[in-house]
Order: sequence, then C-alpha cells, then structure tokens
Amino acid sequence: ETGVTQTPRHLVMGMTNKKSLKCEQHLGHNAMYWYKQSAKKPLELMFVYSLEERVENNSVPSRFSPECPNSSHLFLHLHTLQPEDSALYLCASGGGLENNEKLFFGSGTQLSVL
Amino acid sequence: QQQVKQSPQSLIVQKGGISIINCAYENTAFDYFPWYQQFPGKGPALLIAIRPDVSEKKEGRFTISFNKSAKQFSLHIMDSQPGDSATYFCAASSRGTASKLTFGTGTRLQVTL
Repeated sequence: ETGVTQTPRHLVMGMTNKKSLKCEQHLGHNAMYWYKQSAKKPLELMFVYSLEERVENNSVPSRFSPECPNSSHLFLHLHTLQPEDSALYLCASGGGLENNEKLFFGSGTQLSVL
Repeated sequence: QQQVKQSPQSLIVQKGGISIINCAYENTAFDYFPWYQQFPGKGPALLIAIRPDVSEKKEGRFTISFNKSAKQFSLHIMDSQPGDSATYFCAASSRGTASKLTFGTGTRLQVTL
C-alpha cells in the first residue's frame, strides 16, 4: 500500500449524472494532485493543491470540480461528463511544492462515461 | 507539444535479458528525471531517479543512464524477470514548478519465460 487510498475503484456513470471521486492520504504530505491517465497518452496533470489551496489548474473543463477540505482529503466532483472523459483518474500526494521528489499515487478510479 | 518522448511503446524481453527504455526531452530547464513503474490495477510508483550532475545511477538491477548533451536518458533493467512485467513511465521536472512532472507515454514491458 502506498498510503494513498482512492474510492471508488470503478465507476460507471451516465452523461447527466453527478458523482464524486475521493482520495485520502495518511502520509502527512502537504500537496495533493489529480492526474488523468488515458491509454497511450502521458499522464495529464489536472489539479494541484498545496496546504489545501489550489495552485494549479491545467485548463481542465469546468465539469471537473476539485475540492480539498483538509490536507488529508481530496475530492473530484464530476458533472455532465462526456464519453471522452472515460479514463483512469489518479490521486497523488507529495512532500510539498518545492519538493519535486517522490510522488505517491493511489490505485486510481477507473471511470466509464456512457 | 509533448516535452518527454518515450520509446518503445511496448517491449518483449526474455527472462534474464536486458530491457532498455529510452526517453528524450526538450526543456533544458529539467533537472530531475524519475522513472515510475505501474502494475495493472495499481498507480505508478517511483522506481529510480537521477539528477543531471551524474551520468549514471544504479539501484539493484535497475540503472538510469543520462546524456545531458543529447537530452536523453534511459532505463536499463538487467537480468529481467517476469515480475518486472509492467508499464514504465519516464518523467522530468524542474525546480520551483510545484512538483509538476511531465510524463512520457509509457512502455509496456513483458518479460517472458
């Protein structure tokens, strides 16, 4: 176990549904990240939170809405997604913005949008 | 624009052989080059990393070779084992960029018996 837990592991949703992905870390890290992983593409950084403040938003459509209520929890709220949003969504945590060393990833949520 | 190019896309190696995965980058500001290993159903995990002040780093059967002038780095897996079968991602980042790693597209390695 990496210390980063993501739920649910699998999610199937229709285009009109609202769902949320949850991430929890017990590593004492200050930074948390959402990545999108699609087949044959590089991991795409979506959002970065440092000390519960969003510091990065890589031109992600507004149908993805992150929330970081505290340094241990991160959510990704999903609303009116498109089929092309189907992918593996990975949460990661790290020691902090200036520490570009090790990132710890969760096992991801495999999302299918019908 | 993809800043880190990784090849090959897939690789089949016999047990005991050497697996070699290559990456090239464009941004000369990059100064940290990790490799991540991902097994099916799991997230990526850091395997080994190098900074440009050295040309090689070895950890067990895993070695990173780094060529700063060519802006290339590679992962060598010696004595490849079936348990090494996974997807490998190279990445790069520079200081002060909020730990924003730029990843390659991944190489799916299969080690056969």
